[in-house]
Amino acid sequence: QKEVEQDPGPLSVPEGAIVSLNCTYSNSAFQYFMWYRQYSRKGPELLMYTYSSGNKEDGRFTAQVDKSSKYISLFIRDSQPSDSATYLCAMSDGSGNTPLVFGKGTRLSVIA
Amino acid sequence: GAVVSQHPSRVICKSGTSVKIECRSLDFQATTMFWYRQFPKQSLMLMATSNEGSKATYEQGVEKDKFLINHASLTLSTLTVTSAHPEDSSFYICSARGGNTIYFGEGSWLTVV
Repeated sequence: QKEVEQDPGPLSVPEGAIVSLNCTYSNSAFQYFMWYRQYSRKGPELLMYTYSSGNKEDGRFTAQVDKSSKYISLFIRDSQPSDSATYLCAMSDGSGNTPLVFGKGTRLSVIA
Repeated sequence: GAVVSQHPSRVICKSGTSVKIECRSLDFQATTMFWYRQFPKQSLMLMATSNEGSKATYEQGVEKDKFLINHASLTLSTLTVTSAHPEDSSFYICSARGGNTIYFGEGSWLTVV
């Protein structure tokens, strides 16, 4: 089993739809959870950052972490064509200099 | 928020030459930086972890003599692709740890002709 599993998509939705992106993981030591958005030919941009379990909301974006189920989600409300990108989940146990563990990314297309 | 800058954003070089890519943390000190490469429509592939003042730690299969990493200060890490070949053409991305979060640079497109 891979450490982080993420459905690669592609996912295509109409403008205005609610989008749900998900990742599962196997390492119970992970405590820090991030979502990055990567536009084509650009570096990943940090979108959401959460620590431990719970929800975090920022505008149209909501990140959820369920550590008991080892499952994280990113919800995008009122999706826009500009949200079309690849979304990467990433996580860390927060120790020392260890790199993030990434999911493979989900390609999202929001159709106008 | 934290910003990581990469330069150059795009470079074309001749086969056999060397190319240096810089990664700077602009408003925070980064004792650790990470270098990735990414092929089109593929996920990020970690190449090495760069630690300030010490040797980089390379991932399995990454040639340390080909991809030279120097992290001479708390705000700058460099990746030098030596004796570049067309198969080294890729998107190279650095990231830096700021607290418990990692921020990415804009990436550098390398084309070896």
